[in-house]
Amino acid sequence: GAGVSQSPSNKVTEKGKDVELRCDPISGHTALYWYRQRLGQGLEFLIYFQGNSAPDKSGLPSDRFSAERTGESVSTLTIQRTQQEDSAVYLCASSRDRGFYSGYTFGSGTRLTVV
Amino acid sequence: AQRVTQPEKLLSVFKGAPVELKCNYSYSGSPELFWYVQYSRQRLQLLLRHISRESIKGFTADLNKGETSFHLKKPFAQEEDSAMYYCALMNGYIPTFGRGTSLIVHP
Repeated sequence: GAGVSQSPSNKVTEKGKDVELRCDPISGHTALYWYRQRLGQGLEFLIYFQGNSAPDKSGLPSDRFSAERTGESVSTLTIQRTQQEDSAVYLCASSRDRGFYSGYTFGSGTRLTVV
Repeated sequence: AQRVTQPEKLLSVFKGAPVELKCNYSYSGSPELFWYVQYSRQRLQLLLRHISRESIKGFTADLNKGETSFHLKKPFAQEEDSAMYYCALMNGYIPTFGRGTSLIVHP
């Protein structure tokens, strides 16, 4: 597609349920990032994928969070046993290289509300 | 540890006034810095990169290593500049973003 696509755009879930968020990057973009943005806060790095290399998971806040990406295609971010503090906008971004020259293309985000 | 600080959550100016959005960073290496912008109901997008020394939509940003700053400036603000602005620092392969500054330009 022409841009980074994220789904769903909005998700309301009950505390304790699992959720899965999807990111479809731009074709040919080898790098993919997940960020979390809580209300009034900056973007908090979660995880980084680069091609077929092992992902950098250093930003994942707990073992309830996991993400997968097969090759250079779709990525899914899974949050297990959701908590109210997980409520945030989850942003996905992709880039052709490490992003310094071409910049990062962001999706429109998934707004997660845990009730 | 690397850090990006945007001290102002909100900056409010009138059309035609100069605007400066502050960004300070801490980083032990040679910094690579960006400004990203998010207009209302739009996605976050790249505005400019320090390495390019470019002017985009009238905005410029100069890297000042002595003051560890990368402030974004525009001499005459326009209403369409109203948006959220994020300063970002590359840390290896991972960009670190500031918390953002909301710029409101009044007519």
